[in-house]
Amino acid sequence: DAGVIQSPRHEVTEMGQEVTLRCKPISGHDYLFWYRQTMMRGLELLIYFNNNVPIDDSGMPEDRFSAKMPNASFSTLKIQPSEPRDSAVYFCASSSLAGVITDTQYFGPGTRLTVL
Amino acid sequence: GQQLNQSPQSMFIQEGEDVSMNCTSSSIFNTWLWYKQDPGEGPVLLIALYKAGELTSNGRLTAQFGITRKDSFLNISASIPSDVGIYFCAGLRQNFVFGPGTRLSVLP
Repeated sequence: DAGVIQSPRHEVTEMGQEVTLRCKPISGHDYLFWYRQTMMRGLELLIYFNNNVPIDDSGMPEDRFSAKMPNASFSTLKIQPSEPRDSAVYFCASSSLAGVITDTQYFGPGTRLTVL
Repeated sequence: GQQLNQSPQSMFIQEGEDVSMNCTSSSIFNTWLWYKQDPGEGPVLLIALYKAGELTSNGRLTAQFGITRKDSFLNISASIPSDVGIYFCAGLRQNFVFGPGTRLSVLP
């Protein structure tokens, strides 16, 4: 299996622009997680899905952030409009077992976002 | 809110030495996890702990779920250069909380 795939790996954009990050979970995994990592705040869970349904979005910072999972093999995290403080590495992870925490939560390589 | 503290923040050790790091919180967690992150990569799960008092090993790594459920520690025995990285703890109760990480450097 190719593992969790994220694109793009790097994104540089200007303040006010829309940014869309993409994730393809491992085939057969029914949980998908979006995380954000910064030096100041560390690793934060933004939202997670189970069977394409958002379960907990309490970590989403504000209305400028939205996430969708239209099918089992694809998810997007969108920021509109983007701001410099959104600059971070965004990780997607997927998991296969019934529990939210499992021994098989795999992270993607991340998307490094820079908002100028 | 729920917060995790990790200590030390960073450490420099000689190859072959044992390493000990811990994670503490003022809140109780039901599950503790330890991850390692290499530069430019996503975190990789090392050990998961599900019961208070549980002691689990994964090769040279050993982790324990504290009896109070408010802490956990990770030990690495006989460190090697590839142990370099950032080690994160994470706790789960109703949602995930990650610690700020311990940055480990191994000197040859």
